[in-house]
Amino acid sequence: GAVVSQHPSRVICKSGTSVKIECRSLDFQATTMFWYRQFPKQSLMLMATSNEGSKATYEQGVEKDKFLINHASLTLSTLTVTSAHPEDSSFYICSARERFNYGYTFGSGTRLTVV
Amino acid sequence: DQQVKQNSPSLSVQEGRISILNCDYTNSMFDYFLWYKKYPAEGPTFLISISSIKDKNEDGRFTVFLNKSAKHLSLHIVPSQPGDSAVYFCAASALRIQGAQKLVFGQGTRLTINP
Repeated sequence: GAVVSQHPSRVICKSGTSVKIECRSLDFQATTMFWYRQFPKQSLMLMATSNEGSKATYEQGVEKDKFLINHASLTLSTLTVTSAHPEDSSFYICSARERFNYGYTFGSGTRLTVV
Repeated sequence: DQQVKQNSPSLSVQEGRISILNCDYTNSMFDYFLWYKKYPAEGPTFLISISSIKDKNEDGRFTVFLNKSAKHLSLHIVPSQPGDSAVYFCAASALRIQGAQKLVFGQGTRLTINP
C-alpha cells in the first residue's frame, strides 16, 4: 500500500534554532500534503494544506512565517519550524493524498522538543 | 467549533466482546468518514472508511455504521483483541467541495481490551 516516510522521528533543538521535517511519498504522487500537530492526549490539529507547486494554505491561528511549508515536488514536502521555542514542542505528523484517490496516508510523526 | 466529536475519552472492553466507538459530526457537508488507530509517538493507521452514499461498510472484524440523519457514525470491533488497545480517531472530510479535502479529527477514544 501507499507509504509516507517522515524524518526525523524525533529531534531536540535549542530555542531560537530552526528545524526541518521531511515527508516523502514512496510509491505514489502526493498531490496534496497536510501537516498536523498533536499535543499530548489531544486530537490532531491541522496546521496547513499544500498542493504541489502551490503555496500552502494555513489554518486560522497558525503563523505561516514560523511554520514554513514547501511542497516543491509530487513526492516531497517539508515543514520548517523557524526560531523554535519551547511552546513549539509537539508531535508533528504529515499526511499525503493522491489526486482522485480517497485515501489519506500518514507519516510516522516527528517528536520535536525545544529546550 | 468542534465539528467532529468523540464524547467518550476512554472505553474498556473484555477480550472477545464487541467494542463500539462512537462519533458525532455537525457539518452536513461531510461526505467521507474514516477511522484511524493510533499509538503514542506514531502516525495514525487507517482502519476503515465509509462514504455518505452508504450506511455500512465492513472489513474483517471492523464495521463502520453511518447514520446521516443523526450525523452519527460508529465503529464496531468484534471480537475485540488485546492488540486493539490504542487510541481511535474518527475523521471526516467534504470531498465534494473543491479545495476542502482536509480531514477533521475527533478528540479520540482510548480503547483498552482486558484479557
